[in-house]
Amino acid sequence: AQSVTQLDSQVPVFEEAPVELRCNYSSSVSVYLFWYVQYPNQGLQLLLKYLSGSTLVKGINGFEAEFNKSQTSFHLRKPSVHISDTAEYFCAVREQPNTGNQFYFGTGTSLTVIP
Amino acid sequence: EAQVTQNPRYLITVTGKKLTVTCSQNMNHEYMSWYRQDPGLGLRQIYYSMNVEVTDKGDVPEGYKVSRKEKRNFPLILESPSPNQTSLYFCASRGHLSGEAFFGQGTRLTVV
Repeated sequence: AQSVTQLDSQVPVFEEAPVELRCNYSSSVSVYLFWYVQYPNQGLQLLLKYLSGSTLVKGINGFEAEFNKSQTSFHLRKPSVHISDTAEYFCAVREQPNTGNQFYFGTGTSLTVIP
Repeated sequence: EAQVTQNPRYLITVTGKKLTVTCSQNMNHEYMSWYRQDPGLGLRQIYYSMNVEVTDKGDVPEGYKVSRKEKRNFPLILESPSPNQTSLYFCASRGHLSGEAFFGQGTRLTVV
């Protein structure tokens, strides 16, 4: 089974500072990679995804992530955070080919933006 | 609007009283799943379905049942709920050719 590790359970950062949320996965096969955001009392919303192609993926709200196959990582970055970015962030992995439905999630990183 | 709809959003029940959480999607998706979210554990898959009448266990299926009689609906059934099933539950769907899953708003279940 897949394992997805988000080492940082909580990340406090000052407003307008850059942030990186780390995600590593274990897999011996090719994978699809995702970052989801969860605002309080809401469901999960897709931030960005890597399916194939360029390893630098841009998403909504100014976030981007880079797929590094050799390090099995998919770290999420934003150059300047806003108060509204305060939320829980989940990294998720799904194995290729595109016929399965098993998503594996990390334990989440709680991002708190400090004014 | 494309969406996954779960009901109810909040539910408090007593141990042993059967309950059903409904899930419906309007995107004609083949795949549907149920997850539970617990602090420090992230989301764990309970059951999934690859199409009508095709379901399979996820990582934490004990104490749960599902059915997929129609493509759009995927209810989660707790025949005899116990306090360790107190959790936040999410339904999700995915199209055959799409990469990501689309999530419902969640159902917060408390079993006392």
